[in-house]
Amino acid sequence: GNSVTQMEGPVTLSEEAFLTINCTYTATGYPSLFWYVQYPGEGLQLLLKATKADDKGSNKGFEATYRKETTSFHLEKGSVQVSDSAVYFCALSKAAGNKLTFGGGTRVLVKP
Amino acid sequence: NAGVTQTPKFQVLKTGQSMTLQCAQDMNHNSMYWYRQDPGMGLRLIYYSASEGTTDKGEVPNGYNVSRLNKREFSLRLESAAPSQTSVYFCASGRSGTQETQYFGPGTRLLVL
Repeated sequence: GNSVTQMEGPVTLSEEAFLTINCTYTATGYPSLFWYVQYPGEGLQLLLKATKADDKGSNKGFEATYRKETTSFHLEKGSVQVSDSAVYFCALSKAAGNKLTFGGGTRVLVKP
Repeated sequence: NAGVTQTPKFQVLKTGQSMTLQCAQDMNHNSMYWYRQDPGMGLRLIYYSASEGTTDKGEVPNGYNVSRLNKREFSLRLESAAPSQTSVYFCASGRSGTQETQYFGPGTRLLVL
């Protein structure tokens, strides 16, 4: 079946540091890939997505590239802010009904 | 637009009690979903509804039932709550298609004693 593996946290960074969160997936064919973010006390919201190989999703300074050859979708940001402290979830969608399969989530804490 | 709303925000139940979690969306989406979030396990799909009048099991449906009341509303019922159902429950909605974004509600935190 489909599965998503992402690095465990927590990841603690200083403001303006570079952030990378690794995400790899297992699925047949060409799933759509997503990064969702959950700020404290809130539901999840879409951060970015990519729907085919070599696509790059980007939003709010975050980027991720759909790499079919390595089945990866790593999230990066060049200079994090305190407001980026959140839990980040990698997910894929392939099955009928747009059912999402999530990774376990990575908590990121950015200190001033 | 309110987006996706959920009630209640927080609930404490005793083992064996029943309750219904309510979810509504005002984005005219066909598809709606119920997930549970447990530490270290991400979100897991309980049930989903691809359109009004249809529901299907997800990854962890045991102990739950759902009703797609109309296009806007999708409720989740626990008939006899168990401590293993202590979790945070999220409702989501979206358009059909694997490329489509899902929009999440704020969640219901449930504690079963």
